Amino acid sequence: QPVLTQSSSASASLGSSVQLTCTLSSGYSSYIIAWHQQQPGKAPRYLMKLEGSGSYKKGSGVPDRFSGSSSGADRYLIISNLQSEDEADYYCEAWDSNTRWVFGGGTKLTVL
Amino acid sequence: EVQLAQSGAEVKKPGATVQISCKVSGFTFTDYYMHWVQQAPGKGLEWMGLVDPEDGETMYAEKFQGRVAITADTSTDTAYMELSSLRSEDTAVYYCATSYGGNSPFDYWGQGTLVTVSS
Repeated sequence: QPVLTQSSSASASLGSSVQLTCTLSSGYSSYIIAWHQQQPGKAPRYLMKLEGSGSYKKGSGVPDRFSGSSSGADRYLIISNLQSEDEADYYCEAWDSNTRWVFGGGTKLTVL
Repeated sequence: EVQLAQSGAEVKKPGATVQISCKVSGFTFTDYYMHWVQQAPGKGLEWMGLVDPEDGETMYAEKFQGRVAITADTSTDTAYMELSSLRSEDTAVYYCATSYGGNSPFDYWGQGTLVTVSS
């Protein structure tokens, strides 16, 4: 099954943009992933499903500020016009043909 | 509106068994897989397993195989997760989540249930 690698932390200023990265392990570069947001003390929330082509489909109510893109084995979550409520942990998720689900280690985003 | 309502916090002694419920509403229960995810304090998300409510088939992560049992009651649209032989390392928040079949990500999450294992 794929292994997903994320940076442990990231930071960006209020009103700016940030790009978070999730890298798929060797042999899995074509996999579709999903991004989830977990605000402090809350349950995770589904943000979007992101394909290797860069095409993405967002969940209900996800602001336009959130978008996705892909390059090779890398899957990106881009947040523009950062708001204070975007300070959260972000997890990527993938699943394989044997129907197992895996998560990346998560990136803690700090909004300065 | 889709809702996944989990049962309340639990405190258990080592060696005991805990059962958590997840009652769903707002969608057809048998159209979705029901998953359980563990999050230890300060740690990331870890998939435990799933049940297909349509036929009761289950699949478990290797780490939890033999200690976890996930079931679904279609008469009440409720999924259950039972974890046995509890140890301190099982202290965590447990989330239920849905996926639209076996080739989809988690799209809805429950609010989480804290299980504390302490003597």
